[in-house]
Amino acid sequence: DVKVTQSSRYLVKRTGEKVFLECVQDMDHENMFWYRQDPGLGLRLIYFSYDVKMKEKGDIPEGYSVSREKKERFSLILESASTNQTSMYLCASTGGIGYEQYFGPGTRLTVT
Amino acid sequence: AQKITQTQPGMFVQEKEAVTLDCTYDTSDQSYGLFWYKQPSSGEMIFLIYQGSYDEQNATEGRYSLNFQKARKSANLVISASQLGDSAMYFCASQYNTDKLIFGTGTRLQVFP
Repeated sequence: DVKVTQSSRYLVKRTGEKVFLECVQDMDHENMFWYRQDPGLGLRLIYFSYDVKMKEKGDIPEGYSVSREKKERFSLILESASTNQTSMYLCASTGGIGYEQYFGPGTRLTVT
Repeated sequence: AQKITQTQPGMFVQEKEAVTLDCTYDTSDQSYGLFWYKQPSSGEMIFLIYQGSYDEQNATEGRYSLNFQKARKSANLVISASQLGDSAMYFCASQYNTDKLIFGTGTRLQVFP
C-alpha cells in the first residue's frame, strides 16, 4: 500500500521559531512536492524536488526552504515562522508526468 | 499563465442524484493532463480520476466520470448516484509538460438525505 507520511498532523509554533516539516514516501518516487492550502485559494506549490539534493521553487517560495538529502525524505523549513504562514501544509510524491500525485495527511500549522 | 477555474464554491445534491462539478482550464499546450481530487474533512487528498488531452474517450472510474470537452477547455466531474460519503471538497488540477499540478480553488459538495 503506497504511503506518504508527514511528521505531525498538528503543530503550534511561536513567531520567529525555526520550523521543520518532514515528509517521507515509500514508493521510491523521484519527484516530491510541498504545497500549502488556504481557504479560497486551493493548493499552492511552495517547492518541489526531482532528485536528491535537487530543488526548485514553486509559486510561493518566499519564507521557506527545503532539504532533500535522501530520496524518500523531503523537508520543508520555515526559517523564521510568521503568523501569515499559519496554514495546512501538504506533501506529495509522484512517479512522473501523467501519474497521480500521492499526498500525505497534511500538517496544520499554527503560528502564534 | 496556466490556470484552473472552478466557479462553484459550494454545491448541494440529494442522495442518489447525480451532480456535475465544473472545471475549466486555460492553456495553449497540446499535451496536458487533468486530475480530480477529493478532500474529506479529515484532510487527506484522494485521487479520483485522470484525463489525458489525447484521450479520445471520457475517463470513468466507478461512479466518477470526467466530461472532457476539449474545444471548450472544460473537464467537469460527474458523480452519479451521490452518497453521503461524497460530501467533501473537490479539486480540479492540470498538468502541463511537467509533473507539477496547478489546482483550482475547489468546490465544496454537500450531499443531503
